[in-house]
Amino acid sequence: KNEVEQSPQNLTAQEGEFITINCSYSVGISALHWLQQHPGGGIVSLFMLSSGKKKHGRLIATINIQEKHSSLHITASHPRDSAVYICAVALNNTDKLIFGTGTRLQVFP
Amino acid sequence: GAGVSQSPSNKVTEKGKDVELRCDPISGHTALYWYRQSLGQGLEFLIYFQGNSAPDKSGLPSDRFSAERTGGSVSTLTIQRTQQEDSAVYLCASSGPGTGVLETQYFGPGTRLLVL
Repeated sequence: KNEVEQSPQNLTAQEGEFITINCSYSVGISALHWLQQHPGGGIVSLFMLSSGKKKHGRLIATINIQEKHSSLHITASHPRDSAVYICAVALNNTDKLIFGTGTRLQVFP
Repeated sequence: GAGVSQSPSNKVTEKGKDVELRCDPISGHTALYWYRQSLGQGLEFLIYFQGNSAPDKSGLPSDRFSAERTGGSVSTLTIQRTQQEDSAVYLCASSGPGTGVLETQYFGPGTRLLVL
């Protein structure tokens, strides 16, 4: 079993829909990162969370430390949101990130 | 200023040859990471540099892989006697001035390595 599991693996949506991507992990962590990988391969960091909730524009990330679960929400989705979204956790007492396998999102107009 | 840059962007080599991949982090960033993304696979941690501390090499897959960071800035990842399974995209990221995993990481565009 992977230490970081994402669901769903693939997601399609119509423009304007509310999107939720989930990340569960089985290890103790100091932080959780959400990354976006564009079709061309470039990776952008969206959020770094250690507790609670963060919002940036149409993106919202939440984390529940007790349940070892995080969600990434996209409101009013747009075709330009089409990308792979990757969850990564920072193991306690290390400087390493362990990555989920990603969720491929396609938003159609 | 400029973001993280990597060179070359693409590298094709023959099995058994050595390759060097370069990463120029964002100026002032003390933390530098190397990751690998094999085709159809997730990202994999390779090595972490933080300031002048000894690097965390625990992710390097074999002793054919090594990395150095000169003057706390530019880093080079070297793969000796390349194998076909080394084919992947090698990504560099930097962050700072604090601890890398607790800060936003800025990723370079990657070097796509193909070993024939």
